[in-house]
Amino acid sequence: DVKVTQSSRYLVKRTGEKVFLECVQDMDHENMFWYRQDPGLGLRLIYFSYDVKMKEKGDIPEGYSVSREKKERFSLILESASTNQTSMYLCASTLRGRNSPLHFGNGTRLTVT
Amino acid sequence: GQQVMQIPQYQHVQEGEDFTTYCNSSTTLSNIQWYKQRPGGHPVFLIQLVKSGEVKKQKRLTFQFGEAKKNSSLHITATQTTDVGTYFCAVNTGTASKLTFGTGTRLQVTL
Repeated sequence: DVKVTQSSRYLVKRTGEKVFLECVQDMDHENMFWYRQDPGLGLRLIYFSYDVKMKEKGDIPEGYSVSREKKERFSLILESASTNQTSMYLCASTLRGRNSPLHFGNGTRLTVT
Repeated sequence: GQQVMQIPQYQHVQEGEDFTTYCNSSTTLSNIQWYKQRPGGHPVFLIQLVKSGEVKKQKRLTFQFGEAKKNSSLHITATQTTDVGTYFCAVNTGTASKLTFGTGTRLQVTL
């Protein structure tokens, strides 16, 4: 069974802090994704990566960056956290290809105060 | 970017009643996926539809892909409390890897 692990379930940070959200998958998937989920807005794609050191912007990349130094790990970075980045963050992975389903981690609920 | 409208946003039914959620796109889709997210959980893949007019069933769940491949529906027959959650459709946009999600339909089932 695919396992996607997010390092923290809950996180509280202060405005202006640099925040790292970590995600690790154990199924050798090529593609990894970061989404944020907000009530009424569904899941919105922040960034995704289709290979090591490769990344592409999603629909809402502003205020975020990512790092993929190893195939199994995909990190989301908030350079200077702001209150409007309070949200549920979901990491997902999938095999390469148009028809591959996403496997999600349990999510990190980030609160920025 | 790709617009995927999902309706309704919320539906409350009594156990035993049927439920349907619809996903509509302004452009022709290559395929569509459906996910379910239980309260407090993460989205879990249910099914993928690829062919025009395709219909797939999973027990009480019936998934349809429109003839023009611009819309899809998920129908649940005789809902149970275990069906509670939010149902999302997701479509490929841009590069092969990128999935765009609908806004979801939250289903509440009461006895």
